[in-house]
Amino acid sequence: DVKVTQSSRYLVKRTGEKVFLECVQDMDHENMFWYRQDPGLGLRLIYFSYDVKMKEKGDIPEGYSVSREKKERFSLILESTSTNQTSMYLCASSPHWTGLGNQPQHFGDGTRLSIL
Amino acid sequence: SQQGEEDPQALSIQEGENATMNCSYKTSINNLQWYRQNSGRGLVHLILIRSNEREKHSGRLRVTLDTSKKSSSLLITASRAADTASYFCATDARGGSQGNLIFGKGTKLSVKP
Repeated sequence: DVKVTQSSRYLVKRTGEKVFLECVQDMDHENMFWYRQDPGLGLRLIYFSYDVKMKEKGDIPEGYSVSREKKERFSLILESTSTNQTSMYLCASSPHWTGLGNQPQHFGDGTRLSIL
Repeated sequence: SQQGEEDPQALSIQEGENATMNCSYKTSINNLQWYRQNSGRGLVHLILIRSNEREKHSGRLRVTLDTSKKSSSLLITASRAADTASYFCATDARGGSQGNLIFGKGTKLSVKP
């Protein structure tokens, strides 16, 4: 089974701190994604990557950056946190597009981040 | 950009009853997927239906797709308390970025024992 591991389940930080959220997948998937999930807003895509060192902005990239130095690892960076970044952050991975449509995504268990 | 919209937002039923959730979307798709999320956990993929398929089954799950109406439904038969979760549909828009899925806001299902 695919395993997507997020480094922390719960994290509490203060405004202005720099935060790294790490995600590792063990199935050699090309695509990796970072979402945030908020009540009433569903999942919103922050950034995604379809290859090492490649990154693409999602719907809400402001205030975030990402790094993908190795295929299995995709990091989300909050340079200077603010209270409106309090949220559940979900990482996912999937194989490349096959020509028959996008493949299912495999999710980690999420990091619940609170910014005080 | 919101593609899939689930309906209803919340559903409460008794164990043994069937649960039906609907999803509507806006643009042409290659496939539509359904996911489940238990409270405080990540999403788990349940089933994928391609745009040229009309119905698909997996255990107690039945998914239908009507591309002319741009809608899909997920039926869970003989529900159990363990089916309590949020259910999301996700679509990949034709011509959209590779790998990307667009998720709806979900239906919260509560199955009472």
